[in-house]
Amino acid sequence: AQSVTQPDIHITVSEGASLELRCNYSYGATPYLFWYVQSPGQGLQLLLKYFSGDTLVQGIKGFEAEFKRSQSSFNLRKPSVHWSDAAEYFCAVARGSTLGRLYFGRGTQLTVWP
Amino acid sequence: IAGITQAPTSQILAAGRRMTLRCTQDMRHNAMYWYRQDLGLGLRLIHYSNTAGTTGKGEVPDGYSVSRANTDDFPLTLASAVPSQTSVYFCASSEDSLRGNEQFFGPGTRLTVL
Repeated sequence: AQSVTQPDIHITVSEGASLELRCNYSYGATPYLFWYVQSPGQGLQLLLKYFSGDTLVQGIKGFEAEFKRSQSSFNLRKPSVHWSDAAEYFCAVARGSTLGRLYFGRGTQLTVWP
Repeated sequence: IAGITQAPTSQILAAGRRMTLRCTQDMRHNAMYWYRQDLGLGLRLIHYSNTAGTTGKGEVPDGYSVSRANTDDFPLTLASAVPSQTSVYFCASSEDSLRGNEQFFGPGTRLTVL
């Protein structure tokens, strides 16, 4: 069963516009949640993660994400997108007794118009 | 510090041939992972190792084998490659597999099976 859903395959925004990438998970208890970014031809880099505590987490490169238990969501946001943010973004979860094993969403490709 | 290195960078392979993808990390991480990335499917876990000497199956283990003789190396072997194994393969490591630690990714190996 799909643990992580990223509903948007491709998003296009203008430089300077705000951004929100959606992520929903299916798991009864609170999972460990991650957002990774992949630039073309590169491996994945961690943007931020949520384990517990404050539901708004800050990450690198000006990104933040908010955990909403009631909506089973962990959406990624950035107030003002830069052209260098164009990349593919992956939401991932680790859960229960297999905390070391990540289950990835299918990714959202972000295009930034100048 | 190199982090995680993978070799080769890319490879074209005839179906039926045996191939070993190499992965080495210098962070003394206990846990290591192999993922394959396919367009529209995100990353899927092939095999993992919680610590040297142990391995386990992920979501898509068929046709692949791994070994973990020491902490640093985690090779992935395709005993008899098939075209459906054409993919980009990423090796990753984390400090341990118990607490959902950040996974660090290598640059990937692009494999084409003809």
